[in-house]
Amino acid sequence: EPEVTQTPSHQVTQMGQEVILRCVPISNHLYFYWYRQILGQKVEFLVSFYNNEISEKSEIFDDQFSVERPDGSNFTLKIRSTKLEDSAMYFCASKWGSTDTQYFGPGTRLTVL
Amino acid sequence: QKEVEQNSGPLSVPEGAIASLNCTYSDRGSQSFFWYRQYSGKSPELIMFIYSNGDKEDGRFTAQLNKASQYVSLLIRDSQPSDSATYLCAGGENTGFQKLVFGTGTRLLVSP
Repeated sequence: EPEVTQTPSHQVTQMGQEVILRCVPISNHLYFYWYRQILGQKVEFLVSFYNNEISEKSEIFDDQFSVERPDGSNFTLKIRSTKLEDSAMYFCASKWGSTDTQYFGPGTRLTVL
Repeated sequence: QKEVEQNSGPLSVPEGAIASLNCTYSDRGSQSFFWYRQYSGKSPELIMFIYSNGDKEDGRFTAQLNKASQYVSLLIRDSQPSDSATYLCAGGENTGFQKLVFGTGTRLLVSP
């Protein structure tokens, strides 16, 4: 069964450093998402991406964040200058059509020291 | 502000019992609702989705939606210890992009 994959599973970085989190959505999916979950808190929407552009972003998704689909398979989230409060699990999700359900990847645990 | 509210629990039920998980939402624009299961340290795993008022059954799971009351529930029949997890309720708008707004989740403990 096709799955969303994410790498790395765990990323440790120093405050102020740039990180890139990578996702490979399910191959025929057209809608892509990033969510995050701070430990013990709810899953929060960050950004949605469709037709090679951002369709919606949350207040969390400020100028320090960017997303890219550099080729036909990868979907990346970049944080330019990480802060301590960026420490969280980051989940990528994808879906095929507008009425489809979103399928989540296993997540990347980001730890900012 | 669109909110999805859930009791954080834990909800404790014995093995074989029915577990009833509830969720309310504030945004009448939400048209679709999803129940995800999340084991500790893992990603959300889709259990069921429901778009229409009424009940929807899938195996041991039944989702119920009442749009007038802005209320969603999930019933798990014949609960098993492996069902012990956090159950996340999420609402989505009836648009293509359909970001999900999650509740905090209800922790379910099924004792043998």
